[in-house]
Amino acid sequence: GESVGLHLPTLSVQEGDNSIINCAYSNSASDYFIWYKQESGKGPQFIIDIRSNMDKRQGQRVTVLLNKTVKHLSLQIAATQPGDSAVYFCAENGSDYKLSFGAGTTVTVRA
Amino acid sequence: DVKVTQSSRYLVKRTGEKVFLECVQDMDHENMFWYRQDPGLGLRLIYFSYDVKMKEKGDIPEGYSVSREKKERFSLILESASTNQTSMYLCASSSPVAGAPNEQFFGPGTRLTVL
Repeated sequence: GESVGLHLPTLSVQEGDNSIINCAYSNSASDYFIWYKQESGKGPQFIIDIRSNMDKRQGQRVTVLLNKTVKHLSLQIAATQPGDSAVYFCAENGSDYKLSFGAGTTVTVRA
Repeated sequence: DVKVTQSSRYLVKRTGEKVFLECVQDMDHENMFWYRQDPGLGLRLIYFSYDVKMKEKGDIPEGYSVSREKKERFSLILESASTNQTSMYLCASSSPVAGAPNEQFFGPGTRLTVL
């Protein structure tokens, strides 16, 4: 079946360093991908999205890279801050406006 | 800003009780979704709805039902709660864009404990 997964369940990063969170997907027909951030006690919040006709998209301190050849998605966070500590999910579009989510990576920022 | 609200942040119920989780969105979105979130498993889709009175099963509908009598409100029902339904429940909504997938907006979640 189709699946969206993250390579590592946890990531510890020093404050000020860059973070890279990886995600592998298996549905080559997916044409839309989203990264969500979920802070403790809150619902997931949209960070950035990318469509399959692009290989890179930048936001404020975040960059998403899409490699369709190997079906890999990554989220890069520049100059990681304590407020970036959260669980990060990648998601891909399925049929009928549904999204398929990965298991999530917990990012912990060390002071 | 889109706002999705859920009726309770924390809920404790007994095995066998009927449980109602309510979700309301204020952006006139056609699509609404119910997920459960468990450690290591990510978000799993229980049910979704494209319009009033319409519902579709997601990946794990067993033990749940839903109701969408009004566009802004989507209810998740546990007919007879069991301990394995202890979880975080997340509601989301989205608006369909012709020919394009789009983001979902999430509520804060309801942490349900079934004893």
